[in-house]
Amino acid sequence: GQNIDQPTEMTATEGAIVQINCTYQTSGFNGLFWYQQHAGEAPTFLSYNVLDGLEEKGRFSSFLSRSKGYSYLLLKELQMKDSASYLCAVRDGDYKLSFGAGTTVTVRA
Amino acid sequence: GAVVSQHPSRVICKSGTSVKIECRSLDFQATTMFWYRQFPKQSLMLMATSNEGSKATYEQGVEKDKFLINHASLTLSTLTVTSAHPEDSSFYICSASLGDWEQFFGPGTRLTVL
Repeated sequence: GQNIDQPTEMTATEGAIVQINCTYQTSGFNGLFWYQQHAGEAPTFLSYNVLDGLEEKGRFSSFLSRSKGYSYLLLKELQMKDSASYLCAVRDGDYKLSFGAGTTVTVRA
Repeated sequence: GAVVSQHPSRVICKSGTSVKIECRSLDFQATTMFWYRQFPKQSLMLMATSNEGSKATYEQGVEKDKFLINHASLTLSTLTVTSAHPEDSSFYICSASLGDWEQFFGPGTRLTVL
């Protein structure tokens, strides 16, 4: 199985940068995903890492270190609409996703 | 592209009744569909994995006789919650996978059992 840990809550100011960390222990690894989820809605895909390093996608970047079982999602130039829950998910060798509990990010004006 | 729909979006039912939730991939043929459940302030928990034409594979602790999954075609999977009870009230989300790439999530179904 998978054990995925991420902080419960983070608060930041509009225009700032926030980094959400995720650590995992897996019984097989086939990629790490980050999703954004607004309350009452389904998750939407943000990023995918399968090799070590940084993947940049506009204001969002994601980093992976497989040897450390560690990833982070970096949100730059925060906007009010970025207030949401951010889910770290690990895909195992059977292509199943296991999700962390999510980090609720609150952006203040 | 890669749109997944769910119906209904919300359902309220009496305890003891059965509820069917549909999941459709609208613009692609999904090799695999997944069903998740999410309780308030908790993460998504995988319930079962479904492949077209074969029996669903259920995760440990999920009762296959209570949560019936039918994957009739490459674009449609249904989840039936049989004899629903208040503790089954949750947000049910399906996803569809195109090959071995990412999963595309449906908008979810909010089930409330009275």
